[in-house]
Amino acid sequence: GAVVSQHPSRVICKSGTSVKIECRSLDFQATTMFWYRQFPKQSLMLMATSNEGSKATYEQGVEKDKFLINHASLTLSTLTVTSAHPEDSSFYICSARVLGGIYYEQYFGPGTRLTVT
Amino acid sequence: ELKVEQNPLFLSMQEGKNYTIYCNYSTTSDRLYWYRQDPGKSLESLFVLLSNGAVKQEGRLMASLDTKARLSTLHITAAVHDLSATYFCAVDPMDSSYKLIFGSGTRLLVRP
Repeated sequence: GAVVSQHPSRVICKSGTSVKIECRSLDFQATTMFWYRQFPKQSLMLMATSNEGSKATYEQGVEKDKFLINHASLTLSTLTVTSAHPEDSSFYICSARVLGGIYYEQYFGPGTRLTVT
Repeated sequence: ELKVEQNPLFLSMQEGKNYTIYCNYSTTSDRLYWYRQDPGKSLESLFVLLSNGAVKQEGRLMASLDTKARLSTLHITAAVHDLSATYFCAVDPMDSSYKLIFGSGTRLLVRP
């Protein structure tokens, strides 16, 4: 199956700093990627849809200026958490949309655990 | 707006027993996905169900889809400890958004 990587897997940063998380499709091209966040023992919450070559589409309630998404190429999307605060601590997961025959499937990256101190 | 409900949210069962997890959704769709998540890990794809009446099986897990009832089930047969994980269903709203709408997840604990 298609492989999606994320980097870093874990990051600890100080309050007020910015953190960039990378999501790469390793063996395929992805015009659409998704960014989710997940709090402990909760479901995935879609933050935004990242489209190559265009602006990301953010879900209601997600601050565009805080969570900057850039999908600069067909294999890379980045999420930058700007001026991070402790409440931004979470598990961030990206996925890439792949056409598998007659349907689309999402392949998920391994996730990035962000801790803001 | 599509809503996806899973139940139960938590399931503790003994090894060797059978049980079913239910996934209800609120609007028309014939594309439903089941995922498994181990603690601290990301999601692993289990099943893709693409039409009414679809049934898929892998080992002790079997998933089915009834699009008329807007219901999918994940049946566990003769559970073993290795199946302990959180299981999510996700529904494609069949619009142009390409999003998946996730259920709240079912945390499964299989006891010896």
